[in-house]
Amino acid sequence: GESVGLHLPTLSVQEGDNSIINCAYSNSASDYFIWYKQESGKGPQFIIDIRSNMDKRQGQRVTVLLNKTVKHLSLQIAATQPGDSAVYFCAEAITGGGNKLTFGTGTQLKVEL
Amino acid sequence: EAQVTQNPRYLITVTGKKLTVTCSQNMNHEYMSWYRQDPGLGLRQIYYSMNVEVTDKGDVPEGYKVSRKEKRNFPLILESPSPNQTSLYFCASTTRGLAGGREQFFGPGTRLTVL
Repeated sequence: GESVGLHLPTLSVQEGDNSIINCAYSNSASDYFIWYKQESGKGPQFIIDIRSNMDKRQGQRVTVLLNKTVKHLSLQIAATQPGDSAVYFCAEAITGGGNKLTFGTGTQLKVEL
Repeated sequence: EAQVTQNPRYLITVTGKKLTVTCSQNMNHEYMSWYRQDPGLGLRQIYYSMNVEVTDKGDVPEGYKVSRKEKRNFPLILESPSPNQTSLYFCASTTRGLAGGREQFFGPGTRLTVL
């Protein structure tokens, strides 16, 4: 499949453990944030989003935390599975600012059996 | 099946030879975008379109053109490709702009190499 990037930060976790992927965003005016998962050879796939009026949002096995004070976003994956191995990107946007997403550089998650 | 399709998936070309990468979506989405993905830089937006005949520049528009004559299609045109446009390109579409963030769909990508 396609290589999505070289020299990405890498997080290695054991199957069944929880994973925490971090992201620092750049624009204090951003009010909408999304986490994407990108598997080898595929386009990014939506995981979960959060608006700036929230500091936590939960999905199925995933939780996103937002700390606007330090412009930090994290994605927590519970009970990590081999199928979670991928590159994870955060993206920030300003609602009403067209359709412009600004992506982070990504983190490679490797799940060890 | 709801999807975004891109063609070609792989392309090797030479400097200066005009090329077009097609993008089509079958979800009746108003918003479409093009991104390029490069090692260490993540995805950067090239152009976006908020509806038919409405396009605007993203972060890295230099060397690219787009058109939006029909709602479903959003081709990316490189009039005179250069080696620094060697990259992995993604088309994306969504409805209701970022309010529909969970409905943003990405195509499978086009790997372009310019020699």
